[in-house]
Amino acid sequence: EVKVVESGGGLVKPGGSLRLSCVASEFNFRTYSMAWVRQAPGKGLEWVSCISASSSYIYYADSVKGRFTVSRDNAKNSLFLQMDSLTVEDTAVYYCSRSFDDSSWYRAAFDIWGQGTVVTVSS
Amino acid sequence: EIVLTQSPANLSVSLGDRATLSCRVSQSVSSNLAWYQQKPGQAPRLLIFDATTRATGIPARFSGSGSGTEFTLTISSLQSEDFALYYCQQYNSWPPLTFGPGTTVNIK
Repeated sequence: EVKVVESGGGLVKPGGSLRLSCVASEFNFRTYSMAWVRQAPGKGLEWVSCISASSSYIYYADSVKGRFTVSRDNAKNSLFLQMDSLTVEDTAVYYCSRSFDDSSWYRAAFDIWGQGTVVTVSS
Repeated sequence: EIVLTQSPANLSVSLGDRATLSCRVSQSVSSNLAWYQQKPGQAPRLLIFDATTRATGIPARFSGSGSGTEFTLTISSLQSEDFALYYCQQYNSWPPLTFGPGTTVNIK
């Protein structure tokens, strides 16, 4: 089964850090752009970051730029999100997702989603 | 930033009826628009990409139309499993990638 599985969420104090991981299986991970999308409690979907297949292109939402760092390890079929200087506004379910088109990094709609990992930032 | 507006916010539909959801975009995104379905406690599911193309495994009762700034998701005959939240998303001009606020389809 083609899937991605996130981990690493938890409770952290404001100003703290957390590192999310996402492991992909049953598809050629190294050819797909990947993304993180989050959803605050009771709210809609918010794009966080995208990384192209070879890590040549990396983009962030303004709300996380300078605080979050996305990376990937194609040898380990893994995607990461290092989150620093966390604020209460970062509280959300964080989804790892796969871009549907492996021939164009720019066509960023997402066909495979993980179950999400919950990040709670609270004192 | 491209802003997406979805209407209505809530749509009450009877089983077997047609549902029509709208997504308007603040500037042209050509056909670079996707639709997702999300049920409570679940991840989003891609329904439509490139405005009109059904994703793998999506039933034919789901169809997408439109281009430029006006898009529609139509569910031709609502089934019980279709009651959910629906989002549109543009991927024409980014960053940022942007989603609409969603339309909730309720049982009438």
